[in-house]
Amino acid sequence: SQQGEEDPQALSIQEGENATMNCSYKTSINNLQWYRQNSGRGLVHLILIRSNEREKHSGRLRVTLDTSKKSSSLLITASRAADTASYFCATDDGGETSGSRLTFGEGTQLTVNP
Amino acid sequence: DAGVTQSPTHLIKTRGQQVTLRCSPKSGHDTVSWYQQALGQGPQFIFQYYEEEERQRGNFPDRFSGHQFPNYSSELNVNALLLGDSALYLCASSLGFSSYNEQFFGPGTRLTVL
Repeated sequence: SQQGEEDPQALSIQEGENATMNCSYKTSINNLQWYRQNSGRGLVHLILIRSNEREKHSGRLRVTLDTSKKSSSLLITASRAADTASYFCATDDGGETSGSRLTFGEGTQLTVNP
Repeated sequence: DAGVTQSPTHLIKTRGQQVTLRCSPKSGHDTVSWYQQALGQGPQFIFQYYEEEERQRGNFPDRFSGHQFPNYSSELNVNALLLGDSALYLCASSLGFSSYNEQFFGPGTRLTVL
């Protein structure tokens, strides 16, 4: 079953604009991760944010996590055509000794127009 | 440093047949997880192997089975194939049995069942 729900399902912007994608989930989590997928190929890990963190940055990416609202957002600044891909959030409710088990949402399809 | 590799890249089978997919984890990784991604959906967790044992399992029937070898590589077997088994099968590896560790995904095997 899908825990995360991404919003919007599809997003089309111009190069240079910022893109914001949201993710909501249902149960308590250990961490939340964002992945990118190009054209049905493998997943590329973007960023991991732990449940005790509120914000994290990596290059042009900014992720926030609000555990009280069970939601997260991914912001891509100064987007490029190469950012065109599907973006997935994945929650992990495992622990230090219980192993990772990711539950993915259905993704946001981002299109960046040159 | 080789990342996660999977073989074959593509596979076509007919209903009722059996299939074996293979995964070699990233160098140094000892935990392997398998995910199924149907077209237009997010990946779904099948199972996870650590120390040659299945440690966690998702909501998949017994037709789906796996194995992990002493060199940490893994196989996913699917028996009595159904049309609904058509999907991208992703393998992910990580270091250690913990949800605190980042998972690295392979490029996937595209299975088509006719």
